[in-house]
Amino acid sequence: SAVISQKPSRDICQRGTSLTIQCQVDSQVTMMFWYRQQPGQSLTLIATANQGSEATYESGFVIDKFPISRPNLTFSTLTVSNMSPEDSSIYLCSVYRDGYTFGSGTRLTVV
Amino acid sequence: DAKTTQPTSMDCAEGRAANLPCNHSTISGNEYVYWYRQIHSQGPQYIIHGLKNNETNEMASLIITEDRKSSTLILPHATLRDTAVYYCIVRVGAGGTSYGKLTFGQGTILTVHP
Repeated sequence: SAVISQKPSRDICQRGTSLTIQCQVDSQVTMMFWYRQQPGQSLTLIATANQGSEATYESGFVIDKFPISRPNLTFSTLTVSNMSPEDSSIYLCSVYRDGYTFGSGTRLTVV
Repeated sequence: DAKTTQPTSMDCAEGRAANLPCNHSTISGNEYVYWYRQIHSQGPQYIIHGLKNNETNEMASLIITEDRKSSTLILPHATLRDTAVYYCIVRVGAGGTSYGKLTFGQGTILTVHP
């Protein structure tokens, strides 16, 4: 299975600012997935990122709030824009390669 | 993807078998049953998956009923490190170009106590 490096592991941000989360995979993958896990809740898919095309967003998530880049087959970023305390969550990236693998997550606190 | 139903929480004594049930009565013929777990503050970890036959690996066993409407994940000798949230997910099998997103329910909080 793939090995994922996700950065940063945690951050505390001021409301109104933006944070970009990076996800690096040790091998080429077609699809990368971004999830959000709010406190005490399960994982919710934000969007699916394919290389060379725009990300596909799930209901309730929009590109202006969560822009995603996918410049190559091993890397993706998720930006959380104009943050509010409600964006405080763990954000995880995931890929499929001989099974689904998840990054260790980014714990975001917005104050 | 088919919806799953799991108990909210379960307890298990260390060293005993942990049996985690999952109902998936609307499962389709081409849908697999996947199990993942999430230990506190970590990303979900793959455990096992199956289509209709029982499966076993180094982590667990998966028992799927003959009608495929329910399944049980078995951790044969639970340890304190098995305390986690366990997710049962049903979806079309992943492979080639047929993979896609995983949809997580609320899962079962398994607490293993001494």
